[in-house]
Amino acid sequence: QSVLTQPPSVSGAPGQRVTISCTGTSSNIGAGYDVHWYQQLPGTAPKLLIYGNSNRPSGVPDRFSGSKSGTSASLAITGLQAEDEADYYCQSYDTSLSGRYVFGTGTKVTVL
Amino acid sequence: QVTLRESGPALVKPTQTLTLTCTFSGFSLSTSGMCVSWIRQPPGKALEWLAVIDWDDDKYYSTSLKTRLTISKDTSKNQVVLTMTKMDPVDTATYYCARIYGGVGSGPVDYWGQGSLVTVSS
Repeated sequence: QSVLTQPPSVSGAPGQRVTISCTGTSSNIGAGYDVHWYQQLPGTAPKLLIYGNSNRPSGVPDRFSGSKSGTSASLAITGLQAEDEADYYCQSYDTSLSGRYVFGTGTKVTVL
Repeated sequence: QVTLRESGPALVKPTQTLTLTCTFSGFSLSTSGMCVSWIRQPPGKALEWLAVIDWDDDKYYSTSLKTRLTISKDTSKNQVVLTMTKMDPVDTATYYCARIYGGVGSGPVDYWGQGSLVTVSS
């Protein structure tokens, strides 16, 4: 069961900016644990997109950015491209009975 | 180059025990801060974390599944094994092994295996 809540879907035209929210609680994001983001293209394994709230691994375009505030985090995609159509998941760490690592519910990004 | 590969049965019967092996290369699970985790994804659904084992042989499990899961490592073989008992059709999913560097609770999942689809059906 997912502990972090994301919108099921977001969409935008090529070139637009979209944002994906990730809402947690005081036992995960609000407790100060980092938020990481993953991109999952159809039929493939997830890929690390953003780590430590706002850091991009080598090779990830700077169109992707992350932020965190309080019990929530956000992923922004600027200059949306067709290749960005994928599922996106946030992930953090949790100290409650939910158990250690927690993922978001996932967001499908559609490029119109 | 870091790689991880899952292996195990594609089909298991209800009530059986599932054993999955993760064989990895490009890093050592005896390195401080290194962890290997198992994560699954039912068809069309979200990712669900299952278990993690770290370089010091500390093990942590999903609260909802802890009574059914066992994770272990063989550092000399670069392998991590996950067993899940009492399999049920709702356990049908793609099972991923993945690396976490930075210790439990710190680093992200920075490398993923390709995944192994396990179907539970009689």
